[in-house]
Amino acid sequence: AQSVTQLDSQVPVFEEAPVELRCNYSSSVSVYLFWYVQYPNQGLQLLLKYLSGSTLVESINGFEAEFNKSQTSFHLRKPSVHISDTAEYFCAVSYLQGGSEKLVFGKGTKLTVNP
Amino acid sequence: EAQVTQNPRYLITVTGKKLTVTCSQNMNHEYMSWYRQDPGLGLRQIYYSMNVEVTDKGDVPEGYKVSRKEKRNFPLILESPSPNQTSLYFCASSPRPGLVAADTQYFGPGTRLTVL
Repeated sequence: AQSVTQLDSQVPVFEEAPVELRCNYSSSVSVYLFWYVQYPNQGLQLLLKYLSGSTLVESINGFEAEFNKSQTSFHLRKPSVHISDTAEYFCAVSYLQGGSEKLVFGKGTKLTVNP
Repeated sequence: EAQVTQNPRYLITVTGKKLTVTCSQNMNHEYMSWYRQDPGLGLRQIYYSMNVEVTDKGDVPEGYKVSRKEKRNFPLILESPSPNQTSLYFCASSPRPGLVAADTQYFGPGTRLTVL
């Protein structure tokens, strides 16, 4: 089975500071990678995904993530965060197992942006 | 509006009293899934369904049942709830089975269940 490790459970930062949320995965097969965001009292929303092609993927609100196969990482970054980025962020991997596609989530990282 | 709805949004119940959490999607999606979210554990899949009458266990199926009699509905049934099933539950759907990677999963707003 594949697994996802989010190295930081909580990340506090000040507004306009850069941030990196770390995600590593274990895999012996090809995987697809996702970041989801959960704002307070809401469901999860897809932030960005890596399927193939360019290893750098971007979201519409300024986040980006880079797929690094050699380091099995998919860290999420933003050069300047806003108060509204306060949320919990989940890294996830998708892979084939026994003919079914599995989606495994990390434990989440709570990002708190302070004024 | 394309959406996944869940009912109820909040529920407090007692041990052993059967309950059902409903999930409905209006996007004609084939794939539906239930997750539970617990602090420090992230989301864990309970059951999923590739299409009508096709369901399978996820990672934490014990104590839960599901059914998929219609494409739009995927209810989660707790026959005899216990306190360790206190959690936040999410239903999700995506257009086609086996293509979760290439399609966005749409999540419902969540159901917060407390079992006393």
